[in-house]
This record gives sequence, structure tokens and C-alpha cells, in this order.
Amino acid sequence: QKEVEQNSGPLSVPEGAIASLNCTYSDRGSQSFFWYRQYSGKSPELIMFIYSNGDKEDGRFTAQLNKASQYVSLLIRDSQPSDSATYLCAVKRDNNRLAFGKGNQVVVIP
Amino acid sequence: DTEVTQTPKHLVMGMTNKKSLKCEQHMGHRAMYWYKQKAKKPPELMFVYSYEKLSINESVPSRFSPECPNSSLLNLHLHALQPEDSALYLCASSQREGVYGNTIYFGEGSWLTVV
Repeated sequence: QKEVEQNSGPLSVPEGAIASLNCTYSDRGSQSFFWYRQYSGKSPELIMFIYSNGDKEDGRFTAQLNKASQYVSLLIRDSQPSDSATYLCAVKRDNNRLAFGKGNQVVVIP
Repeated sequence: DTEVTQTPKHLVMGMTNKKSLKCEQHMGHRAMYWYKQKAKKPPELMFVYSYEKLSINESVPSRFSPECPNSSLLNLHLHALQPEDSALYLCASSQREGVYGNTIYFGEGSWLTVV
């Protein structure tokens, strides 16, 4: 089992809809969880971080964490064409190592 | 805009060249990182410096040599690279090592092509 899994293929959503991205992780002791957005040819940009169970909202983005299920998700409300990017889920391991999922490509269709 | 600055943005080097990638941050962060990212893959950790000391080397070949001259600067010295080392090299920093409250921020990256 991979340490961080993002299994969904490319996600196409109409403009204005909700994009939902999921991520599971294998290390039950993981404490910190991050979502990065990466545009093609650019570096990863932090979108959200979450440490506690439940929801965390920041503008159009909501991160959800369920440690019992070892599951973290990202919702993008009112999706815009500028949200088209690859979204990387990352989980903090010991000594500050970040384990990344392979990423999910999101395409927002105008 | 990222507060982690990397130079050069693009570098083309031959397999016998010696070159360096540079990274600078002025956020007072005490942990700095080098990651390597190939196309359509997630970033892979190479090195971690904590309080200017190398704390993690992820079994990186010796043709990559990191250096942390002070708390704001991080270099990656390159020598005798192979074409398969062509990738985006990302510098990152965080307040310190540890689990909580240490969000890692990435620079814009240096695109390296080895010919």
C-alpha cells in the first residue's frame, strides 16, 4: 500500500460546480496534512493545511480530515477555470518529510 | 508570491560541467529542503537541512552535493550529472523540523537539463 494515495483520474468539472478530491494515507500516526496546487510548469503552491479532525474552510476551499478513516479531502466550490491544475495531497512524516500522493489533475470547463 | 527564491530559473549543462543551484529565504525559517520533480510525478525529497546542519539525505548520489552556508541560503552543487537527472529542482523551507505548524513552502524551482 502506498503511503499516500490519490487514485482518481483527471477530474473534469463545469465552471461553477464543486470539485471533490480525495486522498488516503497509510500511516495512522500522521498528524499534518496539506494540499498543494501545481500549475503546469510551475512549483507546488500551498492551498490548505489541516491538523484536526473535521472541516477547515478557506475561501472557496474546504479541507476535510478523518483520522479514523485515514482520509483527507479537498472541496473546491464555485470552480473557476483558474482552478485547472494538479492538486497534490501531502502527509507529514517524521523529521518533516512530506510524503506526496501522485496528484489529481482538475480541468474546469467554462 | 513565494518568499523562497531560486536561481537560476533554467540551467542547461553538459555531463562534465560543474554548476550550482541557489536558494534563498528571508522568512527566518530554520529548515530548508531540496526536492526533485520529474514530469507528471510528485516531488521527491533529496536533502533536509535543519539549523544549517544536514539532517536528511535520501540516499542521493554524490554527484549532488548540498551546502547550507547560513540560515538563509541553500546551495545544490552539481557535477558529472546524467541526462536522467534532468528535472525541476525545488527548494523549500519551513520554520523548523517537526510535525506541527511547519508548513513547507516551495520556491519556483530551477529547471535543469543535462545534455
